[in-house]
Amino acid sequence: DGGITQSPKYLFRKEGQNVTLSCEQNLNHDAMYWYRQDPGQGLRLIYYSQIVNDFQKGDIAEGYSVSREKKESFPLTVTSAQKNPTAFYLCASIIEGAGGGYNEQFFGPGTRLTVL
Amino acid sequence: GQNIDQPTEMTATEGAIVQINCTYQTSGFNGLFWYQQHAGEAPTFLSYNVLDGLEEKGRFSSFLSRSKGYSYLLLKELQMKDSASYLCAPMDSNYQLIWGAGTKLIIKP
Repeated sequence: DGGITQSPKYLFRKEGQNVTLSCEQNLNHDAMYWYRQDPGQGLRLIYYSQIVNDFQKGDIAEGYSVSREKKESFPLTVTSAQKNPTAFYLCASIIEGAGGGYNEQFFGPGTRLTVL
Repeated sequence: GQNIDQPTEMTATEGAIVQINCTYQTSGFNGLFWYQQHAGEAPTFLSYNVLDGLEEKGRFSSFLSRSKGYSYLLLKELQMKDSASYLCAPMDSNYQLIWGAGTKLIIKP
């Protein structure tokens, strides 16, 4: 089955530690996205990538880093510089670059990160 | 700036009809998406509108008025499983989705 996988579903870390969230897709989608969702708020864009070895900052990139070495994979590292890392993190992908018409974003199941 | 406005919460009765409104302001416009999100889960795609008018898909319909910066999602024959948050997301000139906070819909028997 094609889809987007994120692991783990729940992640606990101590304050001050870096942590990497994985996102893998086998949909052959070009563009991939990382969002953060906090209770009562909309999704906020952290980073996105439209092509391998290239990525762009979103609205809240500070304290995060990404890489896109393979088309299928777009891991997100939450660094110790991120002030409030506890949140629900969602990875998404889309088939044709950043849009260009009727192309909905498909989402992975999400990772809920709790920093203690 | 870019802004999305949706009601925070709505309550409806099983079997009834509910309309969830969304007003938006974006830098450019390339269509508007509606997603459904159950608690603790990822959003799933419901509808896309790029031209003015009503798009119907089973029990769900979505309407768009570009001149008014307004859309609504209409849910008919409500079922308990429709209890979820509904996210309005217009696409701006850079083809990025701008997400509203969502409307939490509570269905009562």
